[in-house]
Amino acid sequence: EAGVAQSPRYKIIEKRQSVAFWCNPISGHATLYWYQQILGQGPKLLIQFQNNGVVDDSQLPKDRFSAERLKGVDSTLKIQPAKLEDSAVYLCASSLVVASGNTIYFGEGSWLTVV
Amino acid sequence: AQSVTQLGSHVSVSEGALVLLRCNYSSSVPPYLFWYVQYPNQGLQLLLKYTTGATLVKGINGFEAEFKKSETSFHLTKPSAHMSDAAEYFCAVSENEKGNNDMRFGAGTRLTVKP
Repeated sequence: EAGVAQSPRYKIIEKRQSVAFWCNPISGHATLYWYQQILGQGPKLLIQFQNNGVVDDSQLPKDRFSAERLKGVDSTLKIQPAKLEDSAVYLCASSLVVASGNTIYFGEGSWLTVV
Repeated sequence: AQSVTQLGSHVSVSEGALVLLRCNYSSSVPPYLFWYVQYPNQGLQLLLKYTTGATLVKGINGFEAEFKKSETSFHLTKPSAHMSDAAEYFCAVSENEKGNNDMRFGAGTRLTVKP
């Protein structure tokens, strides 16, 4: 079974530029998550989708971050304009359903460096 | 809201020694608890999880954890460390309340295994 796919794996941009990350979840998984993991910290949930609807985006900095999952399968996370503090690993994850206790499967992450 | 505290950002053990990684949680409702492992430049992989039932949970690679409600703890153990266990370990909690899968992670514990 294919895992969660993410691209690009690594990206270096200058501050105030924009960047987009793509994610394809495990086939059949209705729930998709984007997490931000800053060096030395645990992952922090940015946004959670159930099919193509947003379940929770309370921790997403909406002035610069946006995410969509238009067809309920793959998803894109965009940052515009980027700040130095956005340097982090952006982890996409998926689970079969949205209910608590369901195992969340993670991709390998997209590493962003803002200079 | 739920939260997790991992005691000790770095733990070092000798090969063959006992591994003990500590995790305490805070939750207003019965929690679901997880341990994930992250190898360098990779995403998170589930080691084990507690949802309901038996409080001693066995996971992959010889790890196990025990849910102790009275101590609000979910410590991870392995009887004999192997060099391949060197990685970052994250404890996480998800509340069984809102119907979403709002998983909160601890800051992580980096395990070093000495030969």
